[in-house]
Amino acid sequence: KAGVTQTPRYLIKTRGQQVTLSCSPISGHRSVSWYQQTPGQGLQFLFEYFSETQRNKGNFPGRFSGRQFSNSRSEMNVSTLELGDSALYLCASSLSPGLDEQYFGPGTRLTVT
Amino acid sequence: GENVEQHPSTLSVQEGDSAVIKCTYSDSASNYFPWYKQELGKRPQLIIDIRSNVGEKKDQRIAVTLNKTAKHFSLHITETQPEDSAVYFCAASKGGSGTYKYIFGTGTRLKVLA
Repeated sequence: KAGVTQTPRYLIKTRGQQVTLSCSPISGHRSVSWYQQTPGQGLQFLFEYFSETQRNKGNFPGRFSGRQFSNSRSEMNVSTLELGDSALYLCASSLSPGLDEQYFGPGTRLTVT
Repeated sequence: GENVEQHPSTLSVQEGDSAVIKCTYSDSASNYFPWYKQELGKRPQLIIDIRSNVGEKKDQRIAVTLNKTAKHFSLHITETQPEDSAVYFCAASKGGSGTYKYIFGTGTRLKVLA
């Protein structure tokens, strides 16, 4: 079974631009969560989607948004990029959200200059 | 709000010694507690998990204990090996309640010295 995939793997953007990241979950997994990982801050929860609905959102500004498609693929968008948005963005999928293992993708490394 | 505290942030042990990482959670309704290992440049991977109806779980050299009254859980690694060197994250979630989010600790960087 193919694992969670994320594209692109690396991105360099300029402050003020916007970016869209993509995540394809494991086949059959309908829950997709997004995390921001920065040194010293661990894994900060961004949001979780299930059957195209956002069910939970972390403490991030409205510049961070996402969506999920009918095939469970998910995208997250960050508008008006700031230097502090530089991070590794990880998505994870699970079969039974909250009660079972999350399988992480390789992440997208975003650098904002 | 919901919070998971993890200690220590860094831990160095001699090969063959044991390592213990501790986490405390704030939401008493949490019922699922996974531990993830993240090697340098790689994605986090589950190494062991425990549910709230169990006090202890063991898998070869790793074990997790849960104290629901005190709201803390710990990871124990025995006979550490150099390949155990990584960052370890604990997490807490309350599946089935409608929140469906995992709260992660800030991580522990474990170094096993050969």
